[in-house]
Amino acid sequence: DAGVIQSPRHEVTEMGQEVTLRCKPISGHDYLFWYRQTMMRGLELLIYFNNNVPIDDSGMPEDRFSAKMPNASFSTLKIQPSEPRDSAVYFCASSFGQGSRQKLFFGSGTQLSVL
Amino acid sequence: SQQGEEDPQALSIQEGENATMNCSYKTSINNLQWYRQNSGRGLVHLILIRSNEREKHSGRLRVTLDTSKKSSSLLITASRAADTASYFCATDLIQGAQKLVFGQGTRLTINP
Repeated sequence: DAGVIQSPRHEVTEMGQEVTLRCKPISGHDYLFWYRQTMMRGLELLIYFNNNVPIDDSGMPEDRFSAKMPNASFSTLKIQPSEPRDSAVYFCASSFGQGSRQKLFFGSGTQLSVL
Repeated sequence: SQQGEEDPQALSIQEGENATMNCSYKTSINNLQWYRQNSGRGLVHLILIRSNEREKHSGRLRVTLDTSKKSSSLLITASRAADTASYFCATDLIQGAQKLVFGQGTRLTINP
């Protein structure tokens, strides 16, 4: 299995631009999570899906952030417009069955720099 | 807010020594997990311990859980240079949704 695949690996953009991060979860997994990691705030859960349906988006910082999961094999996290404070590493993770009772498989992350 | 808090924030030991990291949490949980993160990489699951378990082993890893003190510890025995990484505990909430909340992590450095 290829594991959780995220793209791009690195993204550098200018303030105000739209940014789209992509994630392909492990085949058969029914939970998908988006986390953001910064030195100041650590790992923050932004949103998670179960069977492609958003369950909890309380961690999404602002309306500038949106996430979709159109099918079981693809999810996007979009930031529009981007701001310098959005600079962070964004991780996608997936799991099979019962959410927090199962281990998460993380992608390699997208390092986002907003100038 | 953070559910889990790791201690110490950073730990530096010599290769071959044992490393112990602690995690404290605030509310009752269903289970607690430990993850490792190598520099520039994603997190990798190490071990899951359920609230009705007190100790669990996996290779050189030993995890304990004390629900009365709301704390857990991760012991790595006979450390190796390859164990250099950040280690995170993650907890869920009995009353909460199916999601994990991570602590700030312990940065472990193994000196050769």
